[in-house]
Amino acid sequence: QVQLVQSGTEVKTSGASVKVSCRASGSTFGDNYITWVRQAPGQGLEWMGWVSPNNADTKYAQKIQGRVTMTTQRYSNTAYMELRGLRSDDTAVYYCARGWTLNYFDIWGQGTLVTVSS
Amino acid sequence: QSALTQDASVSGSPGQSITISCTGASGDIDDNNFVSWYQLRPGKAPKLLIYDVSNRPSGVSYRFSASKSGNTASLTISALQAEDEADYYCSSYTNSRTVLFGGGTKVTVL
Repeated sequence: QVQLVQSGTEVKTSGASVKVSCRASGSTFGDNYITWVRQAPGQGLEWMGWVSPNNADTKYAQKIQGRVTMTTQRYSNTAYMELRGLRSDDTAVYYCARGWTLNYFDIWGQGTLVTVSS
Repeated sequence: QSALTQDASVSGSPGQSITISCTGASGDIDDNNFVSWYQLRPGKAPKLLIYDVSNRPSGVSYRFSASKSGNTASLTISALQAEDEADYYCSSYTNSRTVLFGGGTKVTVL
């Protein structure tokens, strides 16, 4: 059974950076895509972007373009999402998810809470 | 691109059927068959319910069904149960290789 295991809770100050990891256990990334989605307190799901472990291709949401980098390490089956210049409105639970295509994502990580304080 | 539009809340009694709608703009829902639906319970990771408009992954109850007409997608939950109380999100893959989510619909079982 494939699982995505994310890194733990982070508390950061405004302007700092955070790097969240997402490790696949029970399988390799293969030709999957990894997408990152966040949910701010009391808000809905927000798509952040995706990365292809196959060729490192990426696509980011316009809102965070320039502040985010998504990468993967195939040898460790781990994906990373780094967000820079953190602001209070970046406080959210961050999820990674796997998809065979970009149409939908069938396996999700447990979520990582990132809190940004001023 | 703007988020997809969903009703904020829908409620129903046990055993009833409810339908959640999801409306998009040009270039997303009406332009392909890449609509998916997710269930989100507090403290839990999102769960894929429907992919490519109307397909159910293995293990998802037959009580969840979905369809699309023009730029509006719909998710129907039949024989509503207490465990269905959750937030539901639609999602669409777009021509720009981005993904849109709806604002979410809170389902309450009365």
